[in-house]
Amino acid sequence: QKEVEQNSGPLSVPEGAIASLNCTYSDRGSQSFFWYRQYSGKSPELIMSIYSNGDKEDGRFTAQLNKASQYVSLLIRDSQPSDSATYLCAVNGGGSNYKLTFGKGTLLTVNP
Amino acid sequence: GAVVSQHPSRVICKSGTSVKIECRSLDFQATTMFWYRQFPKQSLMLMATSNEGSKATYEQGVEKDKFLINHASLTLSTLTVTSAHPEDSSFYICSASRGQPNSPLHFGNGTRLTVT
Repeated sequence: QKEVEQNSGPLSVPEGAIASLNCTYSDRGSQSFFWYRQYSGKSPELIMSIYSNGDKEDGRFTAQLNKASQYVSLLIRDSQPSDSATYLCAVNGGGSNYKLTFGKGTLLTVNP
Repeated sequence: GAVVSQHPSRVICKSGTSVKIECRSLDFQATTMFWYRQFPKQSLMLMATSNEGSKATYEQGVEKDKFLINHASLTLSTLTVTSAHPEDSSFYICSASRGQPNSPLHFGNGTRLTVT
């Protein structure tokens, strides 16, 4: 069974710090990886996608992928209180199956 | 970006009644849509995969006769909660894929269902 593991947190960081969120996955054949942000009472929104090993940067967000270690992470620089949310890691096995396997999410709190 | 519209955003119904939730892809054709349920402070739970023109695929433990899914067109999937009970009260969220390999899912805004 395909699994995606995240530390449930809560992860608490001060405003302006770097928040580091981690995720491991079990299916070595996974090909695409996503980070979603979910505010309390709202639906998930896509913030980052990554498909190849290495880093991908988008504004204050950097996704890192290491397929050999089956590990994907999300760094949030200059964390803001508005970044406080649950971050979901999602993995797609590829091919014509569009189903994503989600982790349980990490709750991030950024303290002013 | 892709937009998925979900309606209604909030519904309150009496026990025993049925509720229909609509999920539309507004700017792309979605051959596959997914329905999730989320209880407070818990993770997303996939209920079923909705395939255009064919029967939905339900996850283990989800009653297909209670949660009816219809995907009649490439832009619309509906979830009907039949004979709703208070324990069905939850946050229901649909998502859709553009259908391109390795593409992400785009989520609707969710429907908060309260059964009294």
